[in-house]
Amino acid sequence: QVQLQESGPGLVKPSETLSLTCVVSGYSITSGFFWGWIRQAPGKGLECIGSMYYSGSTYYNPSLNSRVTISIDKSKNHFSLELDSVTAADTAVYYCARGEQRSGFDYPIFYFEYWGRGTVVTVSS
Amino acid sequence: SSELTQDPAVSVALGQTVRITCQGDSLRSHYASWYQQKPGRAPVLVAYARGNRPSGIPDRFSGSSSGNTASLTITGAQAEDEADYYCNSRDSNDNHVIFGGGTKVTVL
Repeated sequence: QVQLQESGPGLVKPSETLSLTCVVSGYSITSGFFWGWIRQAPGKGLECIGSMYYSGSTYYNPSLNSRVTISIDKSKNHFSLELDSVTAADTAVYYCARGEQRSGFDYPIFYFEYWGRGTVVTVSS
Repeated sequence: SSELTQDPAVSVALGQTVRITCQGDSLRSHYASWYQQKPGRAPVLVAYARGNRPSGIPDRFSGSSSGNTASLTITGAQAEDEADYYCNSRDSNDNHVIFGGGTKVTVL
């Protein structure tokens, strides 16, 4: 069974870099699929920060593009998020998830089927 | 386009049917997927494309699509279906992933 688990500091100072890791078990991240980060600010909706295809292509939210890096560590079967120059607006629950894009329908379909439980990150001095 | 629009809230009587809609230009060329989120929990995929569900999801959840609008229908809503529901697709250029703003479903 595929499982994902986020880890990282729960408190980050303004202007610093937020770094999170998602450990994947039950599946080799280099075998396929997209690997994504989604966040949810307090009382707000879901926002996709970005995703990385297993082959290395990245797709970042344009509103965060200049501050985001997603990478994969094949040896540890995990992927990571770095978000630079954080402010209080980056305070959120951060989720990692496995994404899949399927063809064979009239149109392509993309979904995140497996999610981590989420980790709370607070940006504060 | 990079926006998906959902109604903020809907209510449904126990056992009745409710439809949640999601509108956006990307839905003219991509199917939507749908997630249920309960307070303090991670989202759960409940439906995608037309009539598809992951294993373990009750068949009262069904997705559909027409033009720039995707819909999630809950037929015979149960008390445990009270939650926030989000739609999702890739943007029109097949780049980043976008979510709708979410719809809060209240079961009366």
